[in-house]
Amino acid sequence: AQSVAQPEDQVNVAEGNPLTVKCTYSVSGNPYLFWYVQYPNRGLQFLLKYITGDNLVKGSYGFEAEFNKSQTSFHLKKPSALVSDSALYFCAVRDVFQTGANNLFFGTGTRLTVIP
Amino acid sequence: DARVTQTPRHKVTEMGQEVTMRCQPILGHNTVFWYRQTMMQGLELLAYFRNRAPLDDSGMPKDRFSAEMPDATLATLKIQPSEPRDSAVYFCASGLNIGGGVYEQYFGPGTRLTVT
Repeated sequence: AQSVAQPEDQVNVAEGNPLTVKCTYSVSGNPYLFWYVQYPNRGLQFLLKYITGDNLVKGSYGFEAEFNKSQTSFHLKKPSALVSDSALYFCAVRDVFQTGANNLFFGTGTRLTVIP
Repeated sequence: DARVTQTPRHKVTEMGQEVTMRCQPILGHNTVFWYRQTMMQGLELLAYFRNRAPLDDSGMPKDRFSAEMPDATLATLKIQPSEPRDSAVYFCASGLNIGGGVYEQYFGPGTRLTVT
């Protein structure tokens, strides 16, 4: 079984401050992990992924995420938030050993609001 | 700039009417996913296809929903008859194989369906 949890429905941060959006996962084997962002009235856009290798993954728009196997986490971070980063963020996971299905399991989303 | 396109972007219909949503995946992507997004349930996987064959539609209410890929450039999701509880945003995503049976998903802009 696999699942992903985003413990915060809402995150508020002041413009210019660092931001963190949390994600924890549960898989039987090793995970593939993804972050997607959804702007209002738009589809989800891919931000970054962890497949293997360096635990710190850099993605689009200055975002990065750190894979922490011991804590089963994949938190999304950015050193300095912009108002334009305000959006809904989704974490997704797939078990490396999952066979058959190709779908990702998405979290419930975290709404990030960057305050000017 | 390759994108997934979905039509219509908005649909308002009366209960009992048939609704057809269309998706054009990115050329070369052989996997298509249909999702439904609501405030209450978040993002739910309805069905997905690989090489035009349906692989999993367990998330879809079979009595009223059907999904097809008549050719590689068109995927359809049909609801007949529609009900108010079907009101949601329906997303199509096409998948790029990044290895290990994992697909990086590219989402369309969605179809916002309102059933009155």
